[in-house]
This record gives sequence, C-alpha cells and structure tokens, in this order.
Amino acid sequence: DAKTTQPTSMDCAEGRAANLPCNHSTISGNEYVYWYRQIHSQGPQYIIHGLKNNETNEMASLIITEDRKSSTLILPHATLRDTAVYYCIVRVLMNRDDKIIFGKGTRLHILP
Amino acid sequence: DSGVTQTPKHLITATGQRVTLRCSPRSGDLSVYWYQQSLDQGLQFLIHYYNGEERAKGNILERFSAQQFPDLHSELNLSSLELGDSALYFCASSPRGDPLAKNIQYFGAGTRLSVL
Repeated sequence: DAKTTQPTSMDCAEGRAANLPCNHSTISGNEYVYWYRQIHSQGPQYIIHGLKNNETNEMASLIITEDRKSSTLILPHATLRDTAVYYCIVRVLMNRDDKIIFGKGTRLHILP
Repeated sequence: DSGVTQTPKHLITATGQRVTLRCSPRSGDLSVYWYQQSLDQGLQFLIHYYNGEERAKGNILERFSAQQFPDLHSELNLSSLELGDSALYFCASSPRGDPLAKNIQYFGAGTRLSVL
C-alpha cells in the first residue's frame, strides 16, 4: 500500500469547514483513498473513500486532485464531536491481504 | 453502533497470566481483523481471519494466537502477559469478497487490557 503524509495536528473553529489534507504521491492506479477517524479511545470509524472523482456522503466530502497525488477531506460544518484523529489510508478495493495500515493521522481539534 | 461486539470492555490482569478477548462480527461478515493500539505504537494490525481460515499475519507475537469459529465469532488469546501488552485491542469485520462492500472495515469498541 502507498504511504501517506498528513499534518500532525490541526485546529478548526466550531461551525466552520475543516479541511484535512493528505499527500499520497506514490499512489497506484488501482488504489483508493480511504478516510477513517478515531474519537478518543473508541474504535476507528469509516468516513469516506474514493478513486479519482470527488465523493460526498452524509459525513464528509473527499476531494482528490487530478493527478491523484493528494486529497482533502472536508467536514463542512465541524462540531465539537468531530474532534478526533483522522487517518488517510491508501489501499486497493479488493485484495487478498486487505489489512489497514494506519499511520499517525491528523489530530483535529474543534475549538468552541 | 458498528454492529461489531467486543467483550469484555475492560480487563485487568497480572503478568504471566493468560486472557481471551472475544469478537462477534457484524451479521454476515466473513472477515475478522484484530488490531492492537498502544500509546507508543499506534494502531497495529495483528491478524486476519476469513471464514475460519487465517489469511494474514501482522506484528503478532508468538505468545498471541487467534481463531475464528464456525459461527464466525473470533477469539484472541494472549498468554504469558507482560506489562508491555497493556493496550487497546480492536476487532474489525468486513464482508470481504463482496465488491459492493467496498472493502470497508467496521470496528468494535475495543477491549482495554491492563497488565499489572
């Protein structure tokens, strides 16, 4: 799986959009970008994933650059409950060995 | 609620002891994954079972073992416990093999193991 690079931490004011960047310059053509988050000591939670088109669901939007070397997770109206560690992960959609390799992620602080 | 159930939530034991952590996957999910999260190591993949068979091993110590039963629940056995084994242990499940499932893993709430 390709490696990802994320900022260690970020702050965002409550009610504003939180934009979390991720670099994955060695991504392969068959690898998807997945985002998970972990709220303090809880189990990681799937947020969204995409291949090359922008994706949106009820939790967030995912913007992937045209060259697919970077992406941004957008939480449109951040709340205090969005304070968590956010993990950007690159992996293939179907693979025999489909473990998730978690990096250190971005610790997002939502400020009241 | 992810639908993945882990028991117990907390476990306190002494060095040298053996414990068993249990995981019930989401209904119908054939794959079960175990992860360990300690303060200094982050989330680390331990082992993956698919429909009762071991599929992949990660950084799992020889003192640790796992199995998946015919009803698809899984157990992680930790023996000869050391202080450094204190961590959160997460189980995740996935339908795997179903393209519509999109390779998403659903995590349980974890078991917090404290070795004293």
